[in-house]
Formats: sequence, C-alpha cells, structure tokens
Amino acid sequence: SQTIHQWPATLVQPVGSPLSLECTVEGTSNPNLYWYRQAAGRGLQLLFYSVGIGQISSEVPQNLSASRPQDRQFILSSKKLLLSDSGFYLCASTLGDPYEQYFGPGTRLTVT
Amino acid sequence: DAKTTQPNSMESNEEEPVHLPCNHSTISGTDYIHWYRQLPSQGPEYVIHGLTSNVNNRMASLAIAEDRKSSTLILHRATLRDAAVYYCIPYTSGTYKYIFGTGTRLKVLA
Repeated sequence: SQTIHQWPATLVQPVGSPLSLECTVEGTSNPNLYWYRQAAGRGLQLLFYSVGIGQISSEVPQNLSASRPQDRQFILSSKKLLLSDSGFYLCASTLGDPYEQYFGPGTRLTVT
Repeated sequence: DAKTTQPNSMESNEEEPVHLPCNHSTISGTDYIHWYRQLPSQGPEYVIHGLTSNVNNRMASLAIAEDRKSSTLILHRATLRDAAVYYCIPYTSGTYKYIFGTGTRLKVLA
C-alpha cells in the first residue's frame, strides 16, 4: 500500500512571506497527485491536481502554485502569503481511475 | 460536476446501524459514487465506491438507487470511532477531480 508524507505538520508564517509545502509518496509509481485546502470549519477545496511529471491542473485562481518535479513528489508554493491562505493543506494520491484517494497527514498553516 | 445534497448532521446510538443518505440527481450514467469520511483533525479516509450495483466492504455497505439519483452509506454497527464527517462524491472517470461538498457530520452516542 502507498504512504504519503507531508511536512511540516504545522507552520506559522507572516503575511507576505513565501511558502513551500512538500508531499512525497511511497509504495507506488505514476500516481495522480492532489493538493486540497480546508479552511477552519469548512469542507475540502481542490487546489491542484497532477496526472504526471510537469503536468499541473489548477482548480481555483489564487496566489498559490504547484509543481511536480519528480513522479512521486508534489510541491505547493506561494511567493507571498495572504491571511486567507490559512488552513489545513492536504496532499492526496490515487493509483488509478476511478480508484480511491489516499491522503497524507496534512499541514496546518497559520498566516499571521 | 454533479451536485450532491447531504444532511448537515445526523446522530446515532452506538452499536446501531446508520444510514447516511446522499442525493445526486444530476449524476451522469457513468459517474461513480465515492464515499469518504474525515475524522477530527485528520485527512479524509476512503470508505467505499460503486457505479450501479450495491457494494460491500469491511467498513460499510453502499446502496445505490436503481435510478442512481441517490445512494445510502450503511454502517452496520456504529462505534464511537465512526464519529466523523461523511462525504458523498460523484466522480467522473477521466476527469481526475474529486469535489468534496460539506458532508454529513455523524455523531455517535454512547
């Protein structure tokens, strides 16, 4: 079975600072990868997904970007954080279509 | 994307069955129905998915209406660990997009 690693677990960043969150997947190859954000008390919002190296699809216009430099690595970035970027960021992976998604432990980001 | 309607919250007594409904009247004929749940402070966890026939696994059963406009997730014996938000997600194969709604918050009473 696959394992998804995310770090850090928690992060506190000032407004205007950059962001880089990393997700790596073990136990599979060529997964579909996803970034979600969950604001406090809200549902999950799909941010980006990738079906292969260098292929990124964006769901919501925002000041975030994503990259997939390697098959099992997915990175979420921002050049300048906003207060509204606070939330629980989750990376997910699927082995195929339409199979189940596996989620990582998440990063709780607070922008101050 | 197909729209879903789920109750905001439900309660169940421990060790009793729970039926969590989902209305997805705009689902297309080839959309799968996925269910996930999210325990407090954790990422979502896959529960079950199906297309047309009812499905069973070790966690739950999924009953899909004949017209596919609704489905019901069945937890056969609720435990306190089943307290979570349950999401019903129509999934269109080939789109790679899983759109989570607001889900149903299940409270299990001891």
